[in-house]
Amino acid sequence: AAGVIQSPRHLIKEKRETATLKCYPIPRHDTVYWYQQGPGQDPQFLISFYEKMQSDKGSIPDRFSAQQFSDYHSELNMSSLELGDSALYFCASSAGQGADIQYFGAGTRLSVL
Amino acid sequence: QKEVEQNSGPLSVPEGAIASLNCTYSDRGSQSFFWYRQYSGKSPELIMFIYSNGDKEDGRFTAQLNKASQYVSLLIRDSQPSDSATYLCAVDGNNRLAFGKGNQVVVIP
Repeated sequence: AAGVIQSPRHLIKEKRETATLKCYPIPRHDTVYWYQQGPGQDPQFLISFYEKMQSDKGSIPDRFSAQQFSDYHSELNMSSLELGDSALYFCASSAGQGADIQYFGAGTRLSVL
Repeated sequence: QKEVEQNSGPLSVPEGAIASLNCTYSDRGSQSFFWYRQYSGKSPELIMFIYSNGDKEDGRFTAQLNKASQYVSLLIRDSQPSDSATYLCAVDGNNRLAFGKGNQVVVIP
């Protein structure tokens, strides 16, 4: 079965650079979530989208923005990167909001040097 | 106080034994509860979800939910070396998952 696809899998950036992470949800899933997981930490919710509209916002820095496109894929844009942004970034998708099960992509490992 | 608490340290269990993991949550209005397994450097993989009080069994896994005590647990029977991983308890709240810090399980052959 098709899963959540994230790209790139690995990304190395310098401080103050920008990065764009992409997420393609499971077909027919209309809700996308972004999580950040630092080393040894649990995943922290960043932001979510339902039907191309932002549905919830968590601990996402102002330097980050995200959107969901007409084909339901989502992009997380990160600017003025800091060393502390180095983390695993996971995208998850679900078939609807609320209590629906979230399925996670393989993640993007971002390293900021 | 963190929304979801998993306070136990690393758990070492012999192969074939039962691993027991516990989780408490703070939001009484929470309706959906999940256990994810995460191997180092990999993404969380859903292994169990439970919505109603009581037990839910799926293969070697049993989830238990007690909403009155705000408590969720996971039992892994006949533990295998491949079960060695971090187990994350997650609670759904307002369209986002709140995770506990996870419990590392090591199954010793």
